[in-house]
Amino acid sequence: DVKVTQSSRYLVKRTGEKVFLECVQDMDHENMFWYRQDPGLGLRLIYFSYDVKMKEKGDIPEGYSVSREKKERFSLILESASTNQTSMYLCASSFRLAGVYEQYFGPGTRLTVT
Amino acid sequence: GNSVTQMEGPVTLSEEAFLTINCTYTATGYPSLFWYVQYPGEGLQLLLKATKADDKGSNKGFEATYRKETTSFHLEKGSVQVSDSAVYFCALSWAGGTSYGKLTFGQGTILTVHP
Repeated sequence: DVKVTQSSRYLVKRTGEKVFLECVQDMDHENMFWYRQDPGLGLRLIYFSYDVKMKEKGDIPEGYSVSREKKERFSLILESASTNQTSMYLCASSFRLAGVYEQYFGPGTRLTVT
Repeated sequence: GNSVTQMEGPVTLSEEAFLTINCTYTATGYPSLFWYVQYPGEGLQLLLKATKADDKGSNKGFEATYRKETTSFHLEKGSVQVSDSAVYFCALSWAGGTSYGKLTFGQGTILTVHP
């Protein structure tokens, strides 16, 4: 079974703090993704990585950065947390099977910025 | 660009009722289409997928058919159970090498099934 784990299920931080969200996958997948989930907006892609040290911006990268130093680990960083970054953050990894990519998701981290 | 539109929710049904959740997409070419389900307090799980026109994906009694002529991928189940209560997301992706499987999601539909 593919397993994607996230470091925290719930996190409360103060405005201006630097926040690290960690994600680890155990299936040697090349690609990893960070999404945020907000009611009525579905999931929106923040950043993704297709290899170690390689990253690309998604649809809403402003206010975020990422790090991928090892294949199994992909970190999302909020340099200076703001209240509008209160959200559910979902990490995913993917592999390609018969020409189709399948994504596997972690349980999510619910971040509250006060 | 690519986009996915799902029917507005929430949807509330009685047990054993028939379920349809509409999904339409806008994309050039031939994307792959997916339905994901999110149970309370959990991450998303792949429910079913279809990769080309007229393909039917099915799993756990749910079905969806890839209709290129109507750019749709509606989710159906003949008889829902209380345990089907969850949020359902329609999504698309490209198989192209530079897409890396990025998903474009619809806004999600909350389904509640009452006994």
